[in-house]
Amino acid sequence: DTGVSQDPRHKITKRGQNVTFRCDPISEHNRLYWYRQTLGQGPEFLTYFQNEAQLEKSRLLSDRFSAERPKGSFSTLEIQRTEQGDSAMYLCASSFAGTDRSPLHFGNGTRLTVT
Amino acid sequence: AQTVTQSQPEMSVQEAETVTLSCTYDTSESDYYLFWYKQPPSRQMILVIRQEAYKQQNATENRFSVNFQKAAKSFSLKISDSQLGDAAMYFCAYRSASGATNKLIFGTGTLLAVQP
Repeated sequence: DTGVSQDPRHKITKRGQNVTFRCDPISEHNRLYWYRQTLGQGPEFLTYFQNEAQLEKSRLLSDRFSAERPKGSFSTLEIQRTEQGDSAMYLCASSFAGTDRSPLHFGNGTRLTVT
Repeated sequence: AQTVTQSQPEMSVQEAETVTLSCTYDTSESDYYLFWYKQPPSRQMILVIRQEAYKQQNATENRFSVNFQKAAKSFSLKISDSQLGDAAMYFCAYRSASGATNKLIFGTGTLLAVQP
């Protein structure tokens, strides 16, 4: 168990470019979450997968954002036509749905800077 | 909608002393979970302690304990014998016990400094 892995750790992009982040959850975890954290704030829920199905999306997730989890393993979060307001830390977390007591395990995050 | 409020943006404690971080929440649900997460600088968020709302007994994990007041919707974290490694951002979080997801709703965090 190597924990939740996110790639890249840092991404600097110019406004208008597309970016894609990857998250590899803990292998036996079937639930996967994406959160966004801006400076001085707590993480905000973006979206959630159980296996390959995307079951919930926050209203924070505009049409420029899309997330996938093919085959129920790793997940990608793509942001199209990035804006300066997209600059944030993007956190991935995973958990096991087999028990209600399963806590969320977080990755180190991907820090996005849009210039 | 549920909300979580942490009214202390920053706190400071001397090494070996005790500090209490405050958290209040708002919900109309009767069954839920509350958590404290720790986020050290440039490191991943880790779970410190959790409390089930149906349990009256306050959770404890070594030097960490909570004071859960369900009627007051208050959930404070006490850190005893503070250590330098406790310095971090601490987030209080809420999760509904119903519904299909176990997404967390976080407060804005309290930055804890530990003075040697």
